[in-house]
Order: sequence, then structure tokens, then C-alpha cells
Amino acid sequence: NAGVTQTPKFQVLKTGQSMTLQCAQDMNHNSMYWYRQDPGMGLRLIYYSASEGTTDKGEVPNGYNVSRLNKREFSLRLESAAPSQTSVYFCASRWTGGAANVLTFGAGSRLTVL
Amino acid sequence: SQQGEEDPQALSIQEGENATMNCSYKTSINNLQWYRQNSGRGLVHLILIRSNEREKHSGRLRVTLDTSKKSSSLLITASRAADTASYFCATRNRDDKIIFGKGTRLHILP
Repeated sequence: NAGVTQTPKFQVLKTGQSMTLQCAQDMNHNSMYWYRQDPGMGLRLIYYSASEGTTDKGEVPNGYNVSRLNKREFSLRLESAAPSQTSVYFCASRWTGGAANVLTFGAGSRLTVL
Repeated sequence: SQQGEEDPQALSIQEGENATMNCSYKTSINNLQWYRQNSGRGLVHLILIRSNEREKHSGRLRVTLDTSKKSSSLLITASRAADTASYFCATRNRDDKIIFGKGTRLHILP
């Protein structure tokens, strides 16, 4: 049981390049989330998807797009990367069917934009 | 802006002592959760407390919630070296957003 899998683990981009961070979960969770983590800032919500076919903006959505491809997969795209997007990105998922519906996190993707 | 704010930002204590971290939030919530993050790793859920609960225990962890003050505290008793990590509170609102605070870095001294 892999849980939440993020790819790639590391990526270096030049300013203006585009890339997609992939996230997949095998726990049949309904909701999926993308966060970024910067030193001293904790985790900030970029986008989330409460269910297949829906996406909503979080705290810091500018410069990002997302796609909830199916129930398992939720991708994050940077169309034109900027140095301010250098960060560690975490994907998480959550089952909404029960009372103790907490987040399960992936291992993170470290992105550097030069 | 972030929903939760932890206090203190950093805490160093001797092994065996108790560690207390606080979290304040801004809007009404369904529940409040605490997570731990070891250096370079993803976050791991520790404990959840619902908005109609005032206190919850799990092993060496004790969480309290005061919705009138919009605050929560996490107590780790009899700390161990393995408790060295960053701790985050997170709140879930009606619209399913889960928002994190900036975290408390806990360091357990031998």
C-alpha cells in the first residue's frame, strides 16, 4: 500500500520553464490537496479538490493550475516558473466518509527555480 | 493569511520534561488537527479534536480546545529524543479547506 506518491522528488527549472508535479493516491480518498512549504512559513494551501471533477483555490493559487484527472490523481502545473516558486511541494489526500478524516501526505517534491 | 498560528516558534527542553505548544486560529472550525514533521519528511497526523470537544488524549499527547478563545494546546509528556520535530496545527472549515499554521520547532536536549 503506497499511500500518496509524488513525482518528481527533485526538480531544477529555469525561470519561464513549465512543469507538472504529479500526485497519486491509492487509498480511495475523495479529497486531495497541494501545499507549498517555505522556511518559516509553515504549509500554505495552493489548491484543493473536494471530489473528482472539482477544484478550488487555496491561500496562494497565483502562478499555478491543477487538474483532478480522476479520483486517484491530482496534478499541479507551473506554466511559467518564477524564482518565488522555489519551495517544497506536498500533496495530501483525505477520506471524507468518516469522522476522523485527516490528511495523508506524500514525501514532498523539492523544486528550485533559477 | 494562515488560519493557525503556533506559539512558541521554537522550543528546547530537556529529555523527560513536558512540552507545551499553543495554536490560535481565526474563524469557526469543524475540527482542529495536530501534525508532526521530522526534518526533510512529510507530515504525519497526531491527533484530531472536534469543535464540540474540549480535551483529548492519545498516549503521551494531550490536546485541549477552547473555541471561545479560538485556541488549542498540545502537551507532550515525558519527552524523548525522538520527539524532536516540527509540530503544526491545522484547522478544517466548512468549505473543506485545511489550513496550517507556521509550526513550532521542538528540540529535545539529551
